Amino acid sequence: DAKTTQPNSMESNEEEPVHLPCNHSTISGTDYIHWYRQLPSQGPEYVIHGLTSNVNNRMASLAIAEDRKSSTLILHRATLRDAAVYYCILVSSNTGKLIFGQGTTLQVKP
Amino acid sequence: DGGITQSPKYLFRKEGQNVTLSCEQNLNHDAMYWYRQDPGQGLRLIYYSQIVNDFQKGDIAEGYSVSREKKESFPLTVTSAQKNPTAFYLCASSIPGHHETQYFGPGTRLLVL
Repeated sequence: DAKTTQPNSMESNEEEPVHLPCNHSTISGTDYIHWYRQLPSQGPEYVIHGLTSNVNNRMASLAIAEDRKSSTLILHRATLRDAAVYYCILVSSNTGKLIFGQGTTLQVKP
Repeated sequence: DGGITQSPKYLFRKEGQNVTLSCEQNLNHDAMYWYRQDPGQGLRLIYYSQIVNDFQKGDIAEGYSVSREKKESFPLTVTSAQKNPTAFYLCASSIPGHHETQYFGPGTRLLVL
């Protein structure tokens, strides 16, 4: 299973954009890039996913590098409620399994 | 309201005891999953089921057992063979597909007395 590498922690100021990076140099052509986030003592929550093209939804945007070896989750205006652990996950189209790393802990300062 | 429920929120286990964690979903999803999360770590897959009456071992299945007799329910039993059961257990479901979104329950925290 292909792995991802994320910074352990990041800080942001409230109402500023946040760019959360993820490296996945061993990604295969059929792996999807998924992002989930987890608030303390809660289950993870789906944020966004993509394959090759950049994606936007009401929560965030996902920018995928042309070679697909890295991606960036973009929160356009961070709020205090966005403070969470963000997981970048490669999902194999063969198995559908999620392989979680340690994620990035995002702190949002007022 | 559609969603996934897990009970209880907290569960205490005595040495040598089997305990069962409940997971129910009314999303009409065929696939269900059990994960374990240790402090400061990501989730690890214990068991998953793509359809009723069928399930497969995940990465850390030893000391656990599951059943899938109904589409809505996927209970997890933590057996006495699991020597380090203290963790946060999360259940999820999805439409079976190779990249489908998983929806997670609120979790059960298991503690050993």
